[in-house]
Amino acid sequence: QVQLVESGGGLVKPGGSLRLSCAASGFTFSDYYMTWIRQAPGRGLEWVSYISGSSSSTNYADSVKGRFTISRDNAKNSVYLQMNSLRAEDTAVYYCARWAGGGYFAYWGQGTLVTVSS
Amino acid sequence: EIVLTQSPGTLSLSPGERATLSCRASQSLSTSLAWYQQKPGQAPRLLIYGASSRATGIPDRFSGSGSGTDFTLTISRLEPEDFAVYYCQQYGSSPRTFGQGTKVEIK
Repeated sequence: QVQLVESGGGLVKPGGSLRLSCAASGFTFSDYYMTWIRQAPGRGLEWVSYISGSSSSTNYADSVKGRFTISRDNAKNSVYLQMNSLRAEDTAVYYCARWAGGGYFAYWGQGTLVTVSS
Repeated sequence: EIVLTQSPGTLSLSPGERATLSCRASQSLSTSLAWYQQKPGQAPRLLIYGASSRATGIPDRFSGSGSGTDFTLTISRLEPEDFAVYYCQQYGSSPRTFGQGTKVEIK
């Protein structure tokens, strides 16, 4: 069965950096776009970034463009989110999800909490 | 960016009742709309894609309808496990966006 397991969250000061990881299993990882979606405490869902199976295509929400970088390692069945210049408004649970059918999200990880605070 | 507006914000119903949730888009999506259910402390779960296709393992009491700018998620008879927050999400254009959610609570 499809499993997505995020890690790497934690407490970081404003202006700091953090790298999130998502380990995938149960499907042919390189065949699928992968995405990161976040949810601020008590708030709704916000798409953050996606990456194609070959890493040839990436895209970012305007709110993170220039600060976050998505990447993947198909040999390790993993996708990453490098987050730099973090702000308080980046505080959220970050979910890794598998893209499906043109852009909905068929499978989700359990999420990892990122807290940006001094 | 396409804005999705969900209504109502909160729906107070009893088990066994019918729930009707609305999602309106600021531009036409054809049928590029999905619905998710989220319970406290859990990740969202895909319920419906393509406006009306149920995802794998989703009970048939959940149904989706609509096209263009107006969409509906219907839960025919609420079970205790259905009380949760529901989000719509469009994939007709980039960036993919979500509605603000409808909370279905026990009356």
